[in-house]
Amino acid sequence: DTEVTQTPKHLVMGMTNKKSLKCEQHMGHRAMYWYKQKAKKPPELMFVYSYEKLSINESVPSRFSPECPNSSLLNLHLHALQPEDSALYLCASSQETGGGQPQHFGDGTRLSIL
Amino acid sequence: GENVEQHPSTLSVQEGDSAVIKCTYSDSASNYFPWYKQELGKGPQLIIDIRSNVGEKKDQRIAVTLNKTAKHFSLHITETQPEDSAVYFCAASWNNDMRFGAGTRLTVKP
Repeated sequence: DTEVTQTPKHLVMGMTNKKSLKCEQHMGHRAMYWYKQKAKKPPELMFVYSYEKLSINESVPSRFSPECPNSSLLNLHLHALQPEDSALYLCASSQETGGGQPQHFGDGTRLSIL
Repeated sequence: GENVEQHPSTLSVQEGDSAVIKCTYSDSASNYFPWYKQELGKGPQLIIDIRSNVGEKKDQRIAVTLNKTAKHFSLHITETQPEDSAVYFCAASWNNDMRFGAGTRLTVKP
């Protein structure tokens, strides 16, 4: 069982909907990450939060809006998504940011855009 | 930025044989090299990692080697078992930035 919990496991939404993905960890980690993974591809970094502050945004479109309400929670707000945004969205956490920090992944939310 | 190449893309071995997956990286500043195993419907699971000040690390049937000069690192799995079948990703990391290789689909035939 993973120590990073993501909900929901599956999400189907229309292009005009607004939804949110949630991620929770109770390992005391201070860095949290969002990745996008397309089928048969590696995870691609989207956002990095360090001590609840956004530290990296990998030029992600504004229809994806991250939020870190506290050190245990990470949200990804979705609005006006496109069919090409269908993918597995993975959350990860590490003790700190900086080099040499193992990242622990959740099992992801599989998102389908109709 | 960092570029990680991983080979082979698919690997099929007989149960009990060894499997080797190789990766190269481009950024000499990278100092942390984790390996992840991803099973169907699951997120990547960290199986072993190595830091740039170490040449080799072993954990039971799994070992990783790192050649900093040549900028390549390898995963070695001995005595493979059917439950080792999965997609394996190498990664290279510096600071907050971690880049993954394209992945290797390992199949272990009973």
